[in-house]
Amino acid sequence: DVVMTQTPVSLSLAIGQPASISCKSSQSLVHSDGKTYLSWILQRPGQSPKRLIYLVSKLDSGVPDRFSGSGSETEFTLKISRVEAEDLGVYYCWQATHFPQLTFGSGTKLEIK
Amino acid sequence: QVQLQQSGAELAKPGSSVKISCKASGYTFTSYDISWIKQTTGQGLEYIGYINTGSGGTYYNEKFKGKATLTVDKSSSTAFMQLSSLTPEDTAVYYCARGLLGFAYWGQGTLVTVSS
Repeated sequence: DVVMTQTPVSLSLAIGQPASISCKSSQSLVHSDGKTYLSWILQRPGQSPKRLIYLVSKLDSGVPDRFSGSGSETEFTLKISRVEAEDLGVYYCWQATHFPQLTFGSGTKLEIK
Repeated sequence: QVQLQQSGAELAKPGSSVKISCKASGYTFTSYDISWIKQTTGQGLEYIGYINTGSGGTYYNEKFKGKATLTVDKSSSTAFMQLSSLTPEDTAVYYCARGLLGFAYWGQGTLVTVSS
């Protein structure tokens, strides 16, 4: 299976600070169709996951543009330009390129100082 | 709006089975497959498999073969997952999600607790 490694494990940031989360895959996530099926989800405390970004950099409807995704092949990054209180929770990356062997990262917990 | 409404929490004894439901609304049920994901504190998020809501065809992650059984009832736009021969290691929150590659929509999760 493709292993997804996220760093850091946790982040503690003040409101207004930028955030950056790294996600590295053990294999290239470029599919034979040319697309890269790398997504980011946020799980707020007590809630189910919500997708923020898909295909590396496409924002889901309603997701603030302070969120951005980038990367290629095996290295990907989620950035928040200015953290807000509602951004706290656990962020996960996951890949569907190697469907049906879908795998998730272990998560990055964002805390607000 | 798209919604996936899951059934409530379950408390089950070791060796028993439970059946979780995931009722879809806000879209044409048979246009999207339903996937299932397990979440535990120790193992994080694990992909269980999916069911084609039109044909009933299924795929199971090797780890969950023999553990999970996925079915659908098209008449009620509901997907089901039965977990059998439960052990404490099956204690987790189980999510349904719409689709195969995108998971744009998730259910609210169903907590299954296995304890004697």
